[in-house]
Amino acid sequence: SQTIHQWPATLVQPVGSPLSLECTVEGTSNPNLYWYRQAAGRGLQLLFYSVGIGQISSEVPQNLSASRPQDRQFILSSKKLLLSDSGFYLCAWSEWTSDTQYFGPGTRLTVL
Amino acid sequence: AQKITQTQPGMFVQEKEAVTLDCTYDTSDQSYGLFWYKQPSSGEMIFLIYQGSYDEQNATEGRYSLNFQKARKSANLVISASQLGDSAMYFCAMREGRGYSTLTFGKGTMLLVSP
Repeated sequence: SQTIHQWPATLVQPVGSPLSLECTVEGTSNPNLYWYRQAAGRGLQLLFYSVGIGQISSEVPQNLSASRPQDRQFILSSKKLLLSDSGFYLCAWSEWTSDTQYFGPGTRLTVL
Repeated sequence: AQKITQTQPGMFVQEKEAVTLDCTYDTSDQSYGLFWYKQPSSGEMIFLIYQGSYDEQNATEGRYSLNFQKARKSANLVISASQLGDSAMYFCAMREGRGYSTLTFGKGTMLLVSP
């Protein structure tokens, strides 16, 4: 069966510091991968998605970037965090033949 | 205009009763898909149920069913025999068009189940 991992689970970072969140999927090949952000009490905002290694589409221009160095690895990064980057970051995957997305446990980021 | 509208910020239901969570959508595509996800306090988004625009029967998964009314562009989630563990945020989402596409989520409905 497929599983999706995210780490860290919780992160507190100062403004201006770098960020690296990692997401990995097991049990499938060539998945579509997604990064979402959820502000407190709000819905999900799609940040990036990827249909293959090195292929990244950005939905919202911002302070963040994404990379997919391996088939089942998706990384969300920032060179300098802003206060507005605080939120709950969710990674998701789907089969390339399906629309149903399955989510990881999330990373709660607080920027102080 | 919002693609997915969930008009109920919060809903209350007693244990063992049924509850309906509303979702309306806006699309001009003929082919689309509708999803419901549950988000408990732990934060993880859990996939519940899917309905394709060409599916003639309403989708069902255990205690969850999707009341799909295409002409009204609504895709309400019905939870039968509510349990305390059903207390969570519920999100409706839509995929537009054929083939690969991203999902658009509504703002969610908070469901509280009381004993």
